[in-house]
Amino acid sequence: AQTVTQSQPEMSVQEAETVTLSCTYDTSESDYYLFWYKQPPSRQMILVIRQEAYKQQNATENRFSVNFQKAAKSFSLKISDSQLGDAAMYFCAYRSGEGAQKLVFGQGTRLTINP
Amino acid sequence: DAGVTQSPTHLIKTRGQQVTLRCSPKSGHDTVSWYQQALGQGPQFIFQYYEEEERQRGNFPDRFSGHQFPNYSSELNVNALLLGDSALYLCASSTSLRATEAFFGQGTRLTVV
Repeated sequence: AQTVTQSQPEMSVQEAETVTLSCTYDTSESDYYLFWYKQPPSRQMILVIRQEAYKQQNATENRFSVNFQKAAKSFSLKISDSQLGDAAMYFCAYRSGEGAQKLVFGQGTRLTINP
Repeated sequence: DAGVTQSPTHLIKTRGQQVTLRCSPKSGHDTVSWYQQALGQGPQFIFQYYEEEERQRGNFPDRFSGHQFPNYSSELNVNALLLGDSALYLCASSTSLRATEAFFGQGTRLTVV
């Protein structure tokens, strides 16, 4: 079974600075997807960024980028120019490339932005 | 576009009771998944519905059951509630079984006392 591990329960960063959230995963599959979701106090999970395992290029979405190391099974999220609105729980998630769409989530990292 | 809507937003039930949670998927979506998120934890997959059938199930007991209606909306039923069932229940919808992106609702906070 696939597992996702986030080793940082909490992180904090100064506004406008850069922060990196870590995620490792375990799988025997070669075809899969990785995601970072943001969960603010409103509770709704919001997709931040997605990475297809077959793509070597790291995904980027505006201030958010990932460092995908397939051999090391590592998938970290970098947030540049942190903003107060970035404060939330961040979850790393795995989805198999085969079959249905079950997401496997990590335990989450609570990100605090200091003004 | 209303997105994924869940009802109710909060619910308090007594141990041993039964509860039904509801989800309306995003317009154009036909696949619905349910997740349980205990306090301080990541969401855990309960099951997924497509074409009114349960297509995949996570490691949850039979007390957890569901249904999908012809209009793609879905219900999650939990029987014989336990204190440990207290959690945020999230519904996610997508355009198909193989879609790579899931859209989540705001969840139903269930408290069992």
